[in-house]
Amino acid sequence: DIQMTQSPSTLSASVGDRVTITCRASQSIYSWLAWYQQKPGKAPKLLIYRASTLESGVPSRFTGSGSGTEFTLTISSLQPDDFATYYCQQYSAYPWTFGQGTKVEIK
Amino acid sequence: EMQLAESGGALVQPGRSLRLSCTTSGFTFEDYGLSWVRQSPVRGLEWVGLIRRTNLGGTTEYAASVKGRFTISRDDSRKIAYLQMNSLKIEDTALYYCTLSSGSIENWGQGTLVTVSS
Repeated sequence: DIQMTQSPSTLSASVGDRVTITCRASQSIYSWLAWYQQKPGKAPKLLIYRASTLESGVPSRFTGSGSGTEFTLTISSLQPDDFATYYCQQYSAYPWTFGQGTKVEIK
Repeated sequence: EMQLAESGGALVQPGRSLRLSCTTSGFTFEDYGLSWVRQSPVRGLEWVGLIRRTNLGGTTEYAASVKGRFTISRDDSRKIAYLQMNSLKIEDTALYYCTLSSGSIENWGQGTLVTVSS
């Protein structure tokens, strides 16, 4: 199975900060990577697919980049609505696998 | 609006069976593959398996942890997908989501809770 490792596990930041989350795959997944945002009590929400394509309706402050084994999700200017947990997911090979999550909390 | 609604979650003893249903609306069901994804505090988000569109054979893929115990099926006429879970284990305890997925997971239901405990 392809292992997905996110860092950091927790991130403390303030409104307006630039935030970067990293996701590393145990082998190349090309660009078959998605990012999700999850808030407490809610299902995850797709933010980015194919490593860098923004899902319809997602604010442009979210940016995805990377290919191969290293990927990043960047929030250019953190907004109050962005405090949540973020997950990466690979869909290059079965079984699809998720990272363990990065919780973005208020500093 | 695309909607998915899971049902059938319950408290069940180890070794028993349970069938979850995913009722859908707002889209052409037969045009989509569906996946089940589960989430627990211990195991995080875990993909369970998928069923492809019927016109692609309706074939399935499963995670190793459930292969041979879980079966995904679909009824295109009723626009419902199912997750049949047999020989349940304590580690199957989770919130189970039905999702529309083409790799990335575009739409999620609200989840149904399965608790396996004696």
